[in-house]
Amino acid sequence: NAGVTQTPKFRVLKTGQSMTLLCAQDMNHEYMYWYRQDPGMGLRLIHYSVGEGTTAKGEVPDGYNVSRLKKQNFLLGLESAAPSQTSVYFCASSFSNEQFFGPGTRLTVL
Amino acid sequence: AQSVTQLDSQVPVFEEAPVELRCNYSSSVSVYLFWYVQYPNQGLQLLLKYLSGSTLVKGINGFEAEFNKSQTSFHLRKPSVHISDTAEYFCAVSASNNDMRFGAGTRLTVKP
Repeated sequence: NAGVTQTPKFRVLKTGQSMTLLCAQDMNHEYMYWYRQDPGMGLRLIHYSVGEGTTAKGEVPDGYNVSRLKKQNFLLGLESAAPSQTSVYFCASSFSNEQFFGPGTRLTVL
Repeated sequence: AQSVTQLDSQVPVFEEAPVELRCNYSSSVSVYLFWYVQYPNQGLQLLLKYLSGSTLVKGINGFEAEFNKSQTSFHLRKPSVHISDTAEYFCAVSASNNDMRFGAGTRLTVKP
């Protein structure tokens, strides 16, 4: 099992550019999440999904969109990147109240 | 909603010394509690969790934590640390699958 994988690992964007982060899990979990991690702030939930075709807003959803077209994939989109979105992004899936994390994507917006 | 406070942002300690990383939480409902470890440039890895039952929870790498409902705490302990324990540690609380809240993290540095 690969667990939770994230693509890409690193990305540099210019302000105003768009991009999509891909998260994939092979554990057949219903729940999936996107977090951002910033120094001194821990992880904050951006959006989450409770199953294929469903999404919901988390704590810091502004500037992001998500889609869950297939159960194993959860996509995070930035339509018009801003320097404030420079962060490390983590995807997770969960089963029985335990979350399993991917290795992260380091995004820099110039 | 629930919240988590990690009382120390940095904890330096010498190798083979004991360590305690402190975590307090607040919630109006019953919660599940977790400790995660993050090594440099990696994702989060579960150390241990409290879902129910015994308040003393043992995890990987010799860590343990005690759930104290009256003090709303879930402190992480290890009797003797190694250089390899140097990492960032996150306490987290969850009342449901949809809402896990993380503390700001404690950076543990183990010195030789």
